[in-house]
Amino acid sequence: GESVGLHLPTLSVQEGDNSIINCAYSNSASDYFIWYKQESGKGPQFIIDIRSNMDKRQGQRVTVLLNKTVKHLSLQIAATQPGDSAVYFCAENMPGGGNKLTFGTGTQLKVEL
Amino acid sequence: DAGVIQSPRHEVTEMGQEVTLRCKPISGHNSLFWYRQTMMRGLELLIYFNNNVPIDDSGMPEDRFSAKMPNASFSTLKIQPSEPRDSAVYFCASSPLAGGWQPQHFGDGTRLSIL
Repeated sequence: GESVGLHLPTLSVQEGDNSIINCAYSNSASDYFIWYKQESGKGPQFIIDIRSNMDKRQGQRVTVLLNKTVKHLSLQIAATQPGDSAVYFCAENMPGGGNKLTFGTGTQLKVEL
Repeated sequence: DAGVIQSPRHEVTEMGQEVTLRCKPISGHNSLFWYRQTMMRGLELLIYFNNNVPIDDSGMPEDRFSAKMPNASFSTLKIQPSEPRDSAVYFCASSPLAGGWQPQHFGDGTRLSIL
C-alpha cells in the first residue's frame, strides 16, 4: 500500500508581507537553535542561529526569537520575496554534543505574487 | 569557494546491489555528517566524524549501512545489500571543529532509488 508521509505545515503569504514561521523544540538543555532553508532539489542552507542565553537575534531581513519559558522559536522574514519560497527547518544543538543537530519536521513557505 | 560536493546526484539501482555514496567536505572543515531525508521520517542524522574519526553512529539504521572517512577530504556511505526502504535523499554536511557550535554546510544530496 501507499505509505503516508509527513504532512508539512504550510504558510502562504503575499509577496511583500512579513512571514512568521514557528517551531516548538523539545530539549530545554539545548545550547543553540538554528534555522535552515531548503529549496527544492537542494540541501538545507544555514540562515541564522541564536544561543540559548539570548531571546532575539537579527540578520538581513530575518529575525529569530527564542522563548525558553514555552520552548518556542520563531523566524520572522521581512518583506517576503518569491525567492523565500522553501521549506524551513528549526534545529537544536546540545552542549557537549559537538555540532550534532536534531531537526524539526519543517514548514513549507509559499509566497504568492 | 567550493561547497560540500556529493556524488552521484542520482542513483537508481536494484534491490540487493551495493550502493556507495561519496562526499567531499569543504576544505578545512574537520567535522563531517551524513543525513538521510525521507517524507516519513524527515531529516535524520546517521553518523558524524570529527578529524576523520567516527564519533556517533547511533543513527545508522542497521549493519547494512557503513561509513568511512579515510582522509580529511573524502567520505563514503555504503549500503550493502540495498533494499527499497533505503530509498531517500542522502545529504553530507561539514563544519569547522571549534570549541562551540559552528554552522553545518550541506551538499545538494544524492537521491537514491532502490527498485
